[in-house]
Amino acid sequence: AQKITQTQPGMFVQEKEAVTLDCTYDTSDPSYGLFWYKQPSSGEMIFLIYQGSYDQQNATEGRYSLNFQKARKSANLVISASQLGDSAMYFCAMREGNTGNQFYFGTGTSLTVIP
Amino acid sequence: DTAVSQTPKYLVTQMGNDKSIKCEQNLGHDTMYWYKQDSKKFLKIMFSYNNKELIINETVPNRFSPKSPDKAHLNLHINSLELGDSAVYFCASSLAGGRTDTQYFGPGTRLTVL
Repeated sequence: AQKITQTQPGMFVQEKEAVTLDCTYDTSDPSYGLFWYKQPSSGEMIFLIYQGSYDQQNATEGRYSLNFQKARKSANLVISASQLGDSAMYFCAMREGNTGNQFYFGTGTSLTVIP
Repeated sequence: DTAVSQTPKYLVTQMGNDKSIKCEQNLGHDTMYWYKQDSKKFLKIMFSYNNKELIINETVPNRFSPKSPDKAHLNLHINSLELGDSAVYFCASSLAGGRTDTQYFGPGTRLTVL
């Protein structure tokens, strides 16, 4: 089974609008971490936000927030007030367990912000 | 100051050649990784080292050999390059290997095998 599933290969959003990128995960480990990365066309991987499985509150970092629904095993990324520079690939990732050696990535969602 | 650096950024070479990609991190992290990103953008972990010790060795051809001279460096050597090796290779590092530890990525090396 896929550890991380991103079902939206491509998304479009109007500038200044909010957008939600979906991510579901599969693990039986009670201890895990969830991450989102941004990959612009220039190619680098930029860390955006982290959510721990024991965290009570949803993580936020500036315009990024993570809608963490543990029972549904979902960790959706919400980008508020989209900007043209948000156009990029977005990857959801997970690390399991206390060692967390293995890091699983989803297949990514390509976001295009329309002016 | 670059946190995770890789050289070269681009590498174009012929089939059958041997090449190396270097990676260095100045974050004081204990764990380093190599990933391969294919043309469909799928990221797959190849290797992970913790304090110079190999801890993850995914199913990759043994033509790929990582070398960690110290915990700040993790180089990737590839022998007898094949067309299918063409991809972007990312180095990354994290503080340790725990579930909370964020991985920070280098800029990537785009390898093209002709």
